[in-house]
Amino acid sequence: EPEVTQTPSHQVTQMGQEVILRCVPISNHLYFYWYRQILGQKVEFLVSFYNNEISEKSEIFDDQFSVERPDGSNFTLKIRSTKLEDSAMYFCASSRTGGVSQPQHFGDGTRLSIL
Amino acid sequence: TQLLEQSPQFLSIQEGENLTVYCNSSSVFSSLQWYRQEPGEGPVLLVTVVTGGEVKKLKRLTFQFGDARKDSSLHITAAQPGDTGLYLCAGGRGDYGGSQGNLIFGKGTKLSVKP
Repeated sequence: EPEVTQTPSHQVTQMGQEVILRCVPISNHLYFYWYRQILGQKVEFLVSFYNNEISEKSEIFDDQFSVERPDGSNFTLKIRSTKLEDSAMYFCASSRTGGVSQPQHFGDGTRLSIL
Repeated sequence: TQLLEQSPQFLSIQEGENLTVYCNSSSVFSSLQWYRQEPGEGPVLLVTVVTGGEVKKLKRLTFQFGDARKDSSLHITAAQPGDTGLYLCAGGRGDYGGSQGNLIFGKGTKLSVKP
């Protein structure tokens, strides 16, 4: 069964450095999402992306964050200058369409640790 | 702010028992998705419900969406140790009949089934 894949599985970075988290959504999916989960807390929405532009973003997704679909398969999340509080699991998800009955399929996440 | 409250937070039962976990909100959702998450992995979709009052069965799991689309329940019959895990509900925020929008997650119910 097709799945969403994320790399790396674990990223350790010094505070203030830039990080890029990578995702390969399911190939025929058109809507892409990033969520994060701080340890012990609920999964939180960051941003959704469709037709090469952001369709919605949360208040967490400030100017330090950006997303890009650089080619036909990858979907990336960049954090420009990381902070300690950015430490979390970051999940990429995709859905075939944006319709209400279309489920979002999640990758296994990237654990981001900021030192 | 739309919130999803899940209860109970923790549940420890013996193999063979039945259980129900709840997902409640004061807000209406366009869809409700149930996920199961294992430690270190991403949420895995179990079911999506869209219509108020809808009931879906997945082997020993029964999912129900409330008539007003504000709440949902997951009932497991004759629980097995393999059912152990974190069960998450997530509400689709989009307009009914239109885009699903991003997902709002509950904190989850951590289920432990002892042999």
